[in-house]
Amino acid sequence: DTEVTQTPKHLVMGMTNKKSLKCEQHMGHRAMYWYKQKAKKPPELMFVYSYEKLSINESVPSRFSPECPNSSLLNLHLHALQPEDSALYLCASRPDRVSYGYTFGSGTRLTVV
Amino acid sequence: QQQVKQSPQSLIVQKGGISIINCAYENTAFDYFPWYQQFPGKGPALLIAIRPDVSEKKEGRFTISFNKSAKQFSLHIMDSQPGDSATYFCAASKNNAGNMLTFGGGTRLMVKP
Repeated sequence: DTEVTQTPKHLVMGMTNKKSLKCEQHMGHRAMYWYKQKAKKPPELMFVYSYEKLSINESVPSRFSPECPNSSLLNLHLHALQPEDSALYLCASRPDRVSYGYTFGSGTRLTVV
Repeated sequence: QQQVKQSPQSLIVQKGGISIINCAYENTAFDYFPWYQQFPGKGPALLIAIRPDVSEKKEGRFTISFNKSAKQFSLHIMDSQPGDSATYFCAASKNNAGNMLTFGGGTRLMVKP
């Protein structure tokens, strides 16, 4: 298995909702990432997990809450989002923080209404 | 501060032509320069990458040219095909910063049949 699987592929949520995005990989990668990508822009780093521990939080608002329950799974919990949070949320992984090969998932297209 | 500048923002090429996308970087500590290809609704996929000790790398129709003194690198797509129509991102990373990717702004390539 050489893929990063993200679910759901599409999500529409109201500003008062709570939802979660899920990311899964079975490549044995120990570094996992959440990126946010707005239309026609490059991905922006949100969070980095290394060996299931949060190592980087790029000053992301607290309405985004990451979780890494185990080495294969990464969640992003969403609460009280704003319309401007609508974007493609990408998960990525790589073997560890010192290797170069990133693998990206296909993303979750999030729309906040 | 935009550490990796990419041009052009958009590019239209006839089928069979050569597509050229350029990137310039500022940080001389960068030591890995990948190119990513992204189709609509998909995550970025690694296309080809180069290290600064090599001036050129070729994989099939895709070639990276690297000029260390000028701090520039470029992607050449030979015999461009309509299926190459996508957004291309250059990126750079440095080992002593956990290899975090710094992306260029992206180039939307359209190959006309």
